[in-house]
Amino acid sequence: GAVVSQHPSRVICKSGTSVKIECRSLDFQATTMFWYRQFPKQSLMLMATSNEGSKATYEQGVEKDKFLINHASLTLSTLTVTSAHPEDSSFYICSANLIQGGLETQYFGPGTRLLVL
Amino acid sequence: AQSVAQPEDQVNVAEGNPLTVKCTYSVSGNPYLFWYVQYPNRGLQFLLKYITGDNLVKGSYGFEAEFNKSQTSFHLKKPSALVSDSALYFCAVRDGGGYNKLIFGAGTRLAVHP
Repeated sequence: GAVVSQHPSRVICKSGTSVKIECRSLDFQATTMFWYRQFPKQSLMLMATSNEGSKATYEQGVEKDKFLINHASLTLSTLTVTSAHPEDSSFYICSANLIQGGLETQYFGPGTRLLVL
Repeated sequence: AQSVAQPEDQVNVAEGNPLTVKCTYSVSGNPYLFWYVQYPNRGLQFLLKYITGDNLVKGSYGFEAEFNKSQTSFHLKKPSALVSDSALYFCAVRDGGGYNKLIFGAGTRLAVHP
């Protein structure tokens, strides 16, 4: 149980194009999902908190118009990198919040590696 | 503000020996602590968590962690390391705000040698 998937696992795009990444909780519902970015040999940087049916909450320094987040259902959140540039190349990881017995645990997707040429 | 520190960038252990990956925390209020493992080019896998109760928490793949309030530590341990345990390990603490936001340590790379 508590499986989270991401699609695509890897994407290469041209500079200026937009890329959409999907995050799905496969066997549980998640009112809250999170999007992280990880640079090589570094820790995870929280980008935003995605809440089903409402606007995402972005961390300081993260451009909300650049990284569009939609959480339209209890099992799906999407991150769209708009007008991507080479500096957006990174490993993007999502997680979904599972609540059991009043306790919360984040379960992570396998990540999406984005390369912008 | 909540924070976690992983003082070691890398830990080297011989296969079969016990391993310890260190984590210390700073929180206001009760700490909710987590350990995750990341294999190359993969997302994070949940290992274990401490919310309340017994100070020794048992998790996946034979790992356990000991919560020590007086030392503000939550070290990850395993009695006998396997080569397949080689990976990047992250300690995390729940942020004091809503939505179960996590604050991650910098990560510790564990290398288990045959």
